[in-house]
Amino acid sequence: DAGVIQSPRHEVTEMGQEVTLRCKPISGHDYLFWYRQTMMRGLELLIYFNNNVPIDDSGMPEDRFSAKMPNASFSTLKIQPSEPRDSAVYFCASSDTGAAGDEQFFGPGTRLTVL
Amino acid sequence: QKEVEQNSGPLSVPEGAIASLNCTYSDRGSQSFFWYRQYSGKSPELIMSIYSNGDKEDGRFTAQLNKASQYVSLLIRDSQPSDSATYLCAVKNTGTASKLTFGTGTRLQVTL
Repeated sequence: DAGVIQSPRHEVTEMGQEVTLRCKPISGHDYLFWYRQTMMRGLELLIYFNNNVPIDDSGMPEDRFSAKMPNASFSTLKIQPSEPRDSAVYFCASSDTGAAGDEQFFGPGTRLTVL
Repeated sequence: QKEVEQNSGPLSVPEGAIASLNCTYSDRGSQSFFWYRQYSGKSPELIMSIYSNGDKEDGRFTAQLNKASQYVSLLIRDSQPSDSATYLCAVKNTGTASKLTFGTGTRLQVTL
């Protein structure tokens, strides 16, 4: 079975540019999570969805960040405009609370570098 | 702020020894606890989940939970160099519908 799929795996962009990260959760999972990981701050939850509806976006650092989940198999995290301090690894994770409790499964991540 | 705390390490153990990784949490009502392993440059990988007080064993891994002391640990028996990684403790807080709070992780080094 395919796991969580993320694209691109690496993104290098210049300050001020728009960045869009993509995620396909595991089929049948009803929760989707976006995390950011840095050496300084560790793994931070940015936003999560349940059945495509945003539940908690309190971790989104500022209005430059936005996330959507138009259907059960696709989500995007957008940063506009990007800044060097946004450089991090961004992970998407999904879970199926009906079958496996609260276990979350992570995608391979997108390493973002903003110059 | 509901927190999960871990010693950042590195924890260095010789090959074949038992590695003991510890985690404390602040939300007394937490019900679900997880251990993730993260190799350098890779994503977190779920290795254990535990929901009840006591021990849960899976191969060389044993998770231990003590809700009264708000303490969860991971034991790795017969440690191998391939176990060298960062281990993240995660806790589902009460009333947060599947949201997990992660610790900052403990880096484990298994030496030859």
